[in-house]
Amino acid sequence: QSLLTQPPSVSAAPGQRVTISCSGRNSNIGNRDVSWYQHLPGTDPKILIYLNSNRPSGIPDRFSASKSGASATLVISGLQTGDEGDYYCGTWDESLTAFVFGSGTTVHVL
Amino acid sequence: QVQLRQSGPGLVKPSQTLSLTCAISGDSVSGDRAGWNWIRQSPSRGLEWLGRTYYGSKWYREYAASVKSRIRINADTSKNQFSLHLDSVIPEDTAVYYCARGWARDGFHDWGQGTRVTVSS
Repeated sequence: QSLLTQPPSVSAAPGQRVTISCSGRNSNIGNRDVSWYQHLPGTDPKILIYLNSNRPSGIPDRFSASKSGASATLVISGLQTGDEGDYYCGTWDESLTAFVFGSGTTVHVL
Repeated sequence: QVQLRQSGPGLVKPSQTLSLTCAISGDSVSGDRAGWNWIRQSPSRGLEWLGRTYYGSKWYREYAASVKSRIRINADTSKNQFSLHLDSVIPEDTAVYYCARGWARDGFHDWGQGTRVTVSS
């Protein structure tokens, strides 16, 4: 049972937009920066977002994220079939003194 | 550019110790620019952070509560690498194991190629 709650799955047609929420608490998201990871089938995980809303070089601006209070949100715009896979939020938890990943969300492109 | 190269067995028997190594190029395991982490991925648990080591006037190690009694992460400065040892493995430890570079605040920007480990007799 992850401390960071994400919806199990989201779906949309190509070109549409999906939103993935990540709900935590003050001991993690509320006081710490959030990163987001993409894990596509047959590939290694890749960081999409760091420090709540920053994209590493090479990550298209179709991927955006924000944080408010103890929750964070990842938005994928202009959805593509190649975006199908699992997405995870993550942050440090001060109570556990450990990094925690969210429960993960599978993106389905209809 | 930082590269992480993992090595270690893909099959471990129950009750034995899982040991993996992550060789670093492009950075120093004893530098202050990053922490050195182990993460695993399984269909049942998703991504799970296992622990990290980093150097800051001394070596620090922090572990996830779920494996704290069984895990050791060590750095070898002479070989510029770090290792994972997970004792008393059970079938539920079957997963793809990754080493990763980064701080929790900034996220994990560099990942090893992953090692699929199966715990089975």
